[in-house]
Amino acid sequence: QVQLVESGGGVVQPGRSLRLSCAASGFTFSDYGMHWVRQAPGKGLEWVAVMWFDADHRYYADSVRGRFTISRDNSKNTLYLQMDSLRAEDTGDYYCARFYYDDNGPFAMDVWGHGTTVTVSS
Amino acid sequence: DIQMTQSPSTLATSVGDRVTITCRASQDISTWLAWYQQKPGKAPKLLISKASTLEGGVPSRFSGSGSGTEFTLTISSLQPDDFAIYYCQQYINSWTFGPGTKVEIK
Repeated sequence: QVQLVESGGGVVQPGRSLRLSCAASGFTFSDYGMHWVRQAPGKGLEWVAVMWFDADHRYYADSVRGRFTISRDNSKNTLYLQMDSLRAEDTGDYYCARFYYDDNGPFAMDVWGHGTTVTVSS
Repeated sequence: DIQMTQSPSTLATSVGDRVTITCRASQDISTWLAWYQQKPGKAPKLLISKASTLEGGVPSRFSGSGSGTEFTLTISSLQPDDFAIYYCQQYINSWTFGPGTKVEIK
């Protein structure tokens, strides 16, 4: 079945780095764009980053631009989020989500992973 | 940047009630709007895309309407499984979620 499984979360000190992974299965990964979305404890959803089919089409929220890098390995059906210079406000659950797109633009996020938790604390 | 607002922030309601949640965008987003449902400890689930297109497997008691800057999510007869937080999201210009509406038991 169609599935996204995140991993790589944990507890990290401020200023350190962490890399999240999102393993996709049950669909043709290279046909889809992918997002990272996060949720601080008890708060709403915040879009973090998106990657379309290649590295020339990557975009970030202002809150993470210059610190986070989204990437993908289509041969491994895996999406990544490299998070550098982490701050306390980066704490939360991180979800990957897929979206389809065509010439008319992107579709909504139709499949989500279960999330992985990142805690930035000294 | 496009800002999204939702009202109400919390809705205390009962099984069988008709529920309407409003979402407003700070500028015209045509119908590039989605609605998601999130239950505690779970990932969000896509209910409606393009403002009014029901996703496969989503019960027909859910419906969406609107265009431009004002949108609504309606649950025609609330069921026990529907108590959750509902988020709208625009995806015409970057991606922005609304703050959420919590539907809770009265």
